[in-house]
Amino acid sequence: AQTVTQSQPEMSVQEAETVTLSCTYDTSESDYYLFWYKQPPSRQMILVIRQEAYKQQNATENRFSVNFQKAAKSFSLKISDSQLGDAAMYFCAYKPGANSKLTFGKGITLSVRP
Amino acid sequence: KAGVTQTPRYLIKTRGQQVTLSCSPISGHRSVSWYQQTPGQGLQFLFEYFSETQRNKGNFPGRFSGRQFSNSRSEMNVSTLELGDSALYLCASSLDIGLAGNNEQFFGPGTRLTVL
Repeated sequence: AQTVTQSQPEMSVQEAETVTLSCTYDTSESDYYLFWYKQPPSRQMILVIRQEAYKQQNATENRFSVNFQKAAKSFSLKISDSQLGDAAMYFCAYKPGANSKLTFGKGITLSVRP
Repeated sequence: KAGVTQTPRYLIKTRGQQVTLSCSPISGHRSVSWYQQTPGQGLQFLFEYFSETQRNKGNFPGRFSGRQFSNSRSEMNVSTLELGDSALYLCASSLDIGLAGNNEQFFGPGTRLTVL
């Protein structure tokens, strides 16, 4: 079975600074997708960034980028120039290529200090 | 385009009762998935429906069931409620261009169920 591990329950970052959120996963599949979702206090899950396992290049979306290490099964999220609105819970998620089931990590609560 | 909608947003029930939650996907989306979110267990997959058929099921007891209608709207039902069923229930829809591929799932705001 696939598992997703986020070992840090909480992190804090100063506004305008950079923070990296860690995630590791375990799978025997070769075709899969990885995601980072943001869940603010409103509880609305918002997709931050996605990575296709077959792509070597790390995904980037504005201030958000990932460090995808396929052999190490590691998928970390880097947030640059942190903003107060980035404060939320962040979930790492795995999806096999063959179906739509998302497996989530436990999440990490990110706080941003003004 | 309207997002995923879920009704009701909040619900209070007592043990032993049953409850039905509703999810309307984004127009044109044919796949609907349900997730349960609790502080202890985190986000767990319940089931996925596509074209009125359950395509995938998580590890939940038979008290949890669902269905999908021809217009892709989905309902999930929990019978004989237990205290541990108190959770945020999230619905997500996707286009579903096939079983494979990067089908982005768009989440609704959730239904907060409290069982007393």
